[in-house]
Amino acid sequence: SQQGEEDPQALSIQEGENATMNCSYKTSINNLQWYRQNSGRGLVHLILIRSNEREKHSGRLRVTLDTSKKSSSLLITASRAADTASYFCATDAKERGGADGLTFGKGTHLIIQP
Amino acid sequence: EPEVTQTPSHQVTQMGQEVILRCVPISNHLYFYWYRQILGQKVEFLVSFYNNEISEKSEIFDDQFSVERPDGSNFTLKIRSTKLEDSAMYFCASSASGRNTGELFFGEGSRLTVL
Repeated sequence: SQQGEEDPQALSIQEGENATMNCSYKTSINNLQWYRQNSGRGLVHLILIRSNEREKHSGRLRVTLDTSKKSSSLLITASRAADTASYFCATDAKERGGADGLTFGKGTHLIIQP
Repeated sequence: EPEVTQTPSHQVTQMGQEVILRCVPISNHLYFYWYRQILGQKVEFLVSFYNNEISEKSEIFDDQFSVERPDGSNFTLKIRSTKLEDSAMYFCASSASGRNTGELFFGEGSRLTVL
C-alpha cells in the first residue's frame, strides 16, 4: 500500500453509531494528521498526533497511533448526519527531514444515515 | 475567523493556454502550499514556499509550473501551457509553523478544467 492509505474506502452507518477509519503508512513519520473534506470543498484539519503519542482526543474524535505497525485510527463517536464527508490521513516523511509536503491517502468516504 | 481564499473558484481553459490561480493565505502565516486533487483521487502535494522561495516541490511540479508571491498578500500558481491532465482541483494552504509541525489551513479550491 502507499503512504497514507485509509480503509475502508467507504463506510455507511446509522446516526448515533460510532465510525472507525484506519490509516496505514510505510515510512517513518514525525506526525500524522487527519483531515475532513465535504464534497467539493476544501480540507479541514481535525487533529494531529505526534510520533511519540499513542492516543489523542478532541471532542467526539479519538485518534490512535501505533508506530510499530505504522497505522492510525480515527474514531468518531455518536455520529451525526453532518459528519458525512471524506476523511483523509496525512503524513510527513521523517527521512526527508520533516519536509514540507504532506502525503495524503485516498480517504474514507463516510456516510451517516439519518 | 481567518481563512485562506482562492480565486477563481472554477476556470475553464483550452489546452496550451496559461493559467494563473490566486490565493490569499492567512495573514500571519509564513508557509504556503499548493496541492491538487484530480477528481476521485487523492490530494497530491505540489510545492511549498517559505521566505520568498520554494522550499520543496514534488515530481508533479515540473517546468510548466511556477509560484510567486508578488506582494505581501497574494500567492499564485501559474501553469504555463496547460495539458488535459492538469484538470483538477487546486488547493492552496498556509501554515503558521510549517515543517509539518502544525495544521494546514486550506482554501476552498480552484477547479481547473482543460479542454
